[in-house]
Amino acid sequence: EVQLLESGGDLVQPGGSLRLSCAASGFTFSSFGMAWVRQAPGKGLEWVSVITGSGGTTYYADSVKGRFAISRDNSKNTLYLQMNSLRAEDTAIYSCARSLNGAYDYWGQGTLVTVSS
Amino acid sequence: EIVMTQSPATLSVSPGERATLSCRASQSVNSKLAWYQQKPGQAPRLLIYGASTRATDIPARFSGSGSGTEFTLTISSLQSEDFAVYYCQQYNNWPRTFGQGTKTEIK
Repeated sequence: EVQLLESGGDLVQPGGSLRLSCAASGFTFSSFGMAWVRQAPGKGLEWVSVITGSGGTTYYADSVKGRFAISRDNSKNTLYLQMNSLRAEDTAIYSCARSLNGAYDYWGQGTLVTVSS
Repeated sequence: EIVMTQSPATLSVSPGERATLSCRASQSVNSKLAWYQQKPGQAPRLLIYGASTRATDIPARFSGSGSGTEFTLTISSLQSEDFAVYYCQQYNNWPRTFGQGTKTEIK
């Protein structure tokens, strides 16, 4: 059974940093691209970033480019999102998702990031 | 960035009726279009990918059609468990983008 479990969400001040993790199980992690998608409270889905199975290629939404960094450790079956220079508008539930050639077929339940002073 | 526009924002449907949801892309995404269902407090669920291919374990009452810039998700006979928010997503171009969602509610 495919499982994705996010962690690391917290309350952080504007300008602060946070690292999210997504522990994967039930599939060959290194064979799949992985993504982060966020959802602000009461709002729709916003794509954040994606990384290929090998970790060699990454893409970012313009809203986070230069501030966020996606990475993965295939030996630990774990996906990461390093978030720096956080802003109030980054407040959201962050979910990891497995890529099925661009569509996302499995999602975690998400971890809440709140940026506030 | 490709803008995905969904209509209507809210769709009121009686159980057993047919529901038709639309998604328009600001430029062609070929058939690289997915549909998701999200219920309150739950993660999104992939329904359709490649514009018309049902994902694993998705009931046959869900169907997708379209290509290029115009896409449709049809639920042939709405069940009580189908009342949710539906999102389209293009994966033809970077950055990937979602529509703003269509909420289906009980009429």
